[in-house]
Parts: sequence; C-alpha cells; structure tokens
Amino acid sequence: GAGVSQSPRYKVAKRGQDVALRCDPISGHVSLFWYQQALGQGPEFLTYFQNEAQLDKSGLPSDRFFAERPEGSVSTLKIQRTQQEDSAVYLCASSLGGGNPNTGELFFGEGSRLTVL
Amino acid sequence: GENVEQHPSTLSVQEGDSAVIKCTYSDSASNYFPWYKQELGKGPQLIIDIRSNVGEKKDQRIAVTLNKTAKHFSLHITETQPEDSAVYFCAATAGKSTFGDGTTLTVKP
Repeated sequence: GAGVSQSPRYKVAKRGQDVALRCDPISGHVSLFWYQQALGQGPEFLTYFQNEAQLDKSGLPSDRFFAERPEGSVSTLKIQRTQQEDSAVYLCASSLGGGNPNTGELFFGEGSRLTVL
Repeated sequence: GENVEQHPSTLSVQEGDSAVIKCTYSDSASNYFPWYKQELGKGPQLIIDIRSNVGEKKDQRIAVTLNKTAKHFSLHITETQPEDSAVYFCAATAGKSTFGDGTTLTVKP
C-alpha cells in the first residue's frame, strides 16, 4: 500500500527483554516522527528525523530508547530492557517536507502496541 | 515546551446536532494547528488544519477557528453523523506537533 506501515502490530515482551519496532514511511517523505500513545491519551513526541539525520530526540524517555533511520527511509525504534511503563502504542508518522518548524500534514501508521509483562 | 489542553474529554450529541471541541496552547511560536480523527485500532488521520495567518477555515461540515492572541482554537462539526464517532485530537506545532489528550465524540442515531 501507499501508506505508512508499521510492524509488528502487536508485541508482548517480558520485562527486561529488548524490542525493535519498524516503520516504513511513505516513499519520498523527508520527515519521520515517532510518538508514544498511552491508553486514553494523545500521542507524545519521542523523536524526529529529517532524512537520515536525527534532529530532535528530546522526547525519548530514557537512554533505553534508541531510534535510527540509517538510509533516510525505514526507521527502527529500539527499546532495551523493557519495563512495564513502556507499555503503549508506538506511532510512526511521516511528512513530505522537512524544515523547521515542520508544518506539513503528518501521515500516521496504525501503530505498534507493546505490552510488557 | 508547548502545552496543549483540550476540552471536553467526552462529548455525546444527537445525530444532526453540532459538536464543538476547544483547545488552548501555550507556545506563541506555534504556527500550525492540525486536527486529527482516530478510530479504534488505527492511527490518527488529519481532517483539517489551519495556519497562523488564517483565522478560520471550512471544509464541508467541518470548520476550525484560531485566535492567536488568546492562544486557542476550536473544531466545529455541523450536521453530525454516526460515522463521525471517534476520538479527535488537536495539536499545536512549533517544530514538532504537541497533541491534546483527545475528545471522544459519540453521535447517537
């Protein structure tokens, strides 16, 4: 399809395990964002890429969270030593343009729901 | 950083009535204000947006107003239909989008 694709859609991890969440943005989109959405709340910003450059990672909750976009297309969000409070839906969004501030429409994927037991 | 407050958290209306959702923001540098609709199990989808040089924008049954002086903006849906039932999020953008906590809209047939 032509939309943003995320995998896996659902992930159950035992506390302490590492997880990797993948995002395939819309082809040609310069900007890529990761958001965390807890149940009943709005998406909260984690990090932003313009092409392969990670321009803002101010929202990453701890150094257990790491994101990369090595070739300016697919991105991976990695969470090390998962904890129960990491349980949430992780949303990826891409946008056609770059620039700061980014004022383009965000196209969201369906999210990866992470449950940490 | 930016702080966005959204009200009400839940809204129930009869089909055909209007629905209004209001948001306030704190960062005067925000200059782009999108509204997203999120259905269960899906990602948010843009329904309308407004930029800081415009006071009002309309698209069929949906309209958004912006008051930059007061730092608030609102979503208006007229002639509501059951398929409008969803969670709606406002956002204020200054580099990145900061979202409100959402409004669950229920339209009763």
